[in-house]
This record gives sequence, C-alpha cells and structure tokens, in this order.
Amino acid sequence: KAGVTQTPRYLIKTRGQQVTLSCSPISGHRSVSWYQQTPGQGLQFLFEYFSETQRNKGNFPGRFSGRQFSNSRSEMNVSTLELGDSALYLCASSPKGGITYEQYFGPGTRLTVT
Amino acid sequence: AQKITQTQPGMFVQEKEAVTLDCTYDTSDQSYGLFWYKQPSSGEMIFLIYQGSYDEQNATEGRYSLNFQKARKSANLVISASQLGDSAMYFCAMRGPGTASKLTFGTGTRLQVTL
Repeated sequence: KAGVTQTPRYLIKTRGQQVTLSCSPISGHRSVSWYQQTPGQGLQFLFEYFSETQRNKGNFPGRFSGRQFSNSRSEMNVSTLELGDSALYLCASSPKGGITYEQYFGPGTRLTVT
Repeated sequence: AQKITQTQPGMFVQEKEAVTLDCTYDTSDQSYGLFWYKQPSSGEMIFLIYQGSYDEQNATEGRYSLNFQKARKSANLVISASQLGDSAMYFCAMRGPGTASKLTFGTGTRLQVTL
C-alpha cells in the first residue's frame, strides 16, 4: 500500500504571497490531519478533515485554511504569508478518528518564507 | 487540556545497549491513547508503538516496548539493542476520547546511537 504523499516537498515563497500544499492519504483512509512543526513551537495541530468536513481545528489564524475532496485528498492554504510561517508542514492520515487509530504521516512540505 | 512532557532534550546510547526515553502526560480524560513516533533527519514521522489507557499489558513492537505506569502518568519508550539507524528525534504523543484525531506532542528527545 502506498504511504501518505505530500507535494511539493520544498517550497520558497515571499512574504505576502499565498501557498497551497497538497496531501494524498493512504488508500481507504478518510481522516486527514495537518500539523505545523517549527523549532520554537514544536509540533502543533492545524486541523483535521473527515469525509470532506473539518472536524477539529487548532489555534491558528484564519490565514490557514484547508479542504478535503471526495477522494480524501486534502489541501491546505496559507494566505498572506509571514516569515513565521516558515515550517515543516506534515500531513497525517488515519482510517477514521478515534483513540486507537494511529496516524500515518507523510514526508512533509518544507516551506520557507523570505 | 492535554499535556505531554519529555524532559530529555538529548540522549546518547552505545550500539547494542538498551535506552529508555521518558514521557509523562497530563489529562483529565479517563480514556486516551499514547503514541511514540520517530522522526529521522528526513522529516517523516514514523509510528512506533501505541498504548491505550485501559490496556493492562505494556505494549511491545519488536525492539520497542512502552513502560506504561498509569498512576504516575508516565509512558516511557524502551528501545532494546540500539542500532545506528535508531539515531533520530523521538516524540511522545497522546490523543483523547472522541473521534477527532488531534495528537498532542511533546517536545521530543534527540537520540544519538554511538559505536
């Protein structure tokens, strides 16, 4: 079974621009979560989608948004980029929600904002 | 609110030795799940082991075992027979009840395996 894939792997953007990151979950997985990882803040939860609905959201400004398509693929969008948005963005998929289901992570997209 | 604490920023271990990575957690939930992930320098988070709060036996997966002490709220990861490829960041994480799949992570421990 193919793992979680994320595109692009690396991205360089300028302050003020917007960016869209893509995540394809493991086949059959309906839950997709996004996390931001930075040296200062560590791993922080952005949001989770299940069957095209946002089911949970972390404490991030409205510039961060996402969506999920009917094939469970997910995108996240960051508008009006700031220097502090430079981070590794990780996507994780799970068969469904719940305590016992581990999340399988993709390789991440490393975003650099200049 | 859930909180994970990993007090060891870095650890060294010799190849073939066992090592314990500490993790304590705080939650008011009765039902929760505890996870350990490995993150090599490539960035991908690799799932290692899971322990449910109602599981009476400690979880084991190959060379990984989880030393679960519920009363002390600790979930330490034990790696037996360390290998050079075990050098990585290790994160402890937890998830509370409900279907929403949010994981709360600790700050991680960087493990370096030496010859």
